[in-house]
Amino acid sequence: NAGVTQTPKFQVLKTGQSMTLQCAQDMNHNSMYWYRQDPGMGLRLIYYSASEGTTDKGEVPNGYNVSRLNKREFSLRLESAAPSQTSVYFCASSEYRVSPLHFGNGTRLTVT
Amino acid sequence: KNEVEQSPQNLTAQEGEFITINCSYSVGISALHWLQQHPGGGIVSLFMLSSGKKKHGRLIATINIQEKHSSLHITASHPRDSAVYICAVSSAGAQKLVFGQGTRLTINP
Repeated sequence: NAGVTQTPKFQVLKTGQSMTLQCAQDMNHNSMYWYRQDPGMGLRLIYYSASEGTTDKGEVPNGYNVSRLNKREFSLRLESAAPSQTSVYFCASSEYRVSPLHFGNGTRLTVT
Repeated sequence: KNEVEQSPQNLTAQEGEFITINCSYSVGISALHWLQQHPGGGIVSLFMLSSGKKKHGRLIATINIQEKHSSLHITASHPRDSAVYICAVSSAGAQKLVFGQGTRLTINP
């Protein structure tokens, strides 16, 4: 059982480039989340999807877009990367709003 | 003031010691989560609780709803317990979690 799978694990971008972070879960969970983790800031919610077909902004959505492609997949897109988006990104899922979270292994993104 | 405060921020102990990490929160909650993150690694959910106490192996989590406080205890600590422990709360009525800053635990052999 793979759980939550994130790709890629590492990525280096130049300022202005675009990329999509992929996330898939095989636990039939309803809710999915994208977080970023920065030193001294803790985990911050970028976007979430409470259920298939819905997405909502979190605390730090600027510069990002998301797509809940189906129940399994939730992607995060950076249209024009900026150095401020250098971070570790985590995808997570939960069966319902108040359920244990399952995290992917993270994507370490560097924007130069 | 952050909605979720953890203490201590850093903790170093010797193998075998009893460890306590504290979490205080200021909002009404549906549930509280304890997470573990090893250096350079992913994040694992240890507990989700809304009342009382839960135990898993050497780990024990307690919550006092009236005092808005939770503790994570580790008995007979081991170097492999070295990690960052994160407290997070599901605010009542809200979708998102609110995270504490984490407690970095180092257990020396």
